[in-house]
Amino acid sequence: AQRVTQPEKLLSVFKGAPVELKCNYSYSGSPELFWYVQYSRQRLQLLLRHISRESIKGFTADLNKGETSFHLKKPFAQEEDSAMYYCAASNTGKLIFGQGTTLQVKP
Amino acid sequence: EAGVVQSPRYKIIEKKQPVAFWCNPISGHNTLYWYRQNLGQGPELLIRYENEEAVDDSQLPKDRFSAERLKGVDSTLKIQPAELGDSAVYLCASSFLGLQFFGPGTRLTVL
Repeated sequence: AQRVTQPEKLLSVFKGAPVELKCNYSYSGSPELFWYVQYSRQRLQLLLRHISRESIKGFTADLNKGETSFHLKKPFAQEEDSAMYYCAASNTGKLIFGQGTTLQVKP
Repeated sequence: EAGVVQSPRYKIIEKKQPVAFWCNPISGHNTLYWYRQNLGQGPELLIRYENEEAVDDSQLPKDRFSAERLKGVDSTLKIQPAELGDSAVYLCASSFLGLQFFGPGTRLTVL
């Protein structure tokens, strides 16, 4: 079955510390991978798409096909990064989401 | 641009009552999705439309849920009758070039 797993429900770090949000996927074929973010009282929005190979708000994500992972990283966390982060995969236009990780950045 | 619009934002009903949610996608987006998000979970697809055609409704509980997208623009998702387990956030999204844009969601509470 197609599945996206985010093993951490909550990740708490101090401002300035490095952040890594883990995502593993189990998927047939070669899915497209995404990270979505939901800030408090805002709608779900796209943060990163693996084919874009961009850095958005200091975040990057590397697709590791061997480990079937797509971890989200940022070298220095900021308080405004506090939000819920969802990893998602798709190969047919249908997005399958992980359960989400709450990132809490403490001052 | 307003983005994907959904209404109502909140709805509280008693079990066995009907409820309907409305979605207006971003102009020009032919693909429309309805997701359900249970507390502490990621969104799960209920139904996907390409224009007015439902192309994936395999996860829609058809005994009580129905959806329509007349004229390939706005869409309505209905539950009749609602059950306690239907309490969730119902998200609408529309897509362009493979990127999905989400609405604010409707939070449904069934008492």
